[in-house]
Amino acid sequence: GAVVSQHPSRVICKSGTSVKIECRSLDFQATTMFWYRQFPKKSLMLMATSNEGSKATYEQGVEKDKFLINHASLTLSTLTVTSAHPEDSSFYICSALEVGVREETQYFGPGTRLLVL
Amino acid sequence: DAKTTQPTSMDCAEGRAANLPCNHSTISGNEYVYWYRQIHSQGPQYIIHGLKNNETNEMASLIITEDRKSSTLILPHATLRDTAVYYCIVRPKTDKLIFGTGTRLQVFP
Repeated sequence: GAVVSQHPSRVICKSGTSVKIECRSLDFQATTMFWYRQFPKKSLMLMATSNEGSKATYEQGVEKDKFLINHASLTLSTLTVTSAHPEDSSFYICSALEVGVREETQYFGPGTRLLVL
Repeated sequence: DAKTTQPTSMDCAEGRAANLPCNHSTISGNEYVYWYRQIHSQGPQYIIHGLKNNETNEMASLIITEDRKSSTLILPHATLRDTAVYYCIVRPKTDKLIFGTGTRLQVFP
């Protein structure tokens, strides 16, 4: 399957600072990428849909000014957690949509574990 | 999106086939059935998907009933590394994936 990478894999930051997470599709171009968040022992929760060259679409209850998404190229989307607080500590996972001749499949990155102190 | 119902957890002996069921009785004609799994502390891994025909790849087989109201993911020879949470998701081809709670499969020696 297609490969999606995330960087960093793990980050610890102080409360009030901003953290940027990168998501890259390594062997295909992705017009659309998605960002998810997962709390311990819970399922993945979709935060937003990132579209190359246009504004992201956020799910209900997700603050767009808090979670800034930029999809500047067909292989890179970034999520910036602004003014992070301890409650933002979570596992953040991105995925990229590979569009084939007949079908479309989402491939996921390995995730980024964020700990805000 | 149509909702899915999966058992909370299942056990399987190593080397045996693991059959994971999924009910999606309200599935629409244009919705595909996707299966992903998530091994602890990793991102979800794509397994297989189908529309109405049975599908097989190097990882698993997907059996979809004729009325499309349920499906079964089959791991033919389960190994300890197949221990994970398995998610069955139905969605139109171009839509986002919404995850439910999945089935926690424990493969034991």
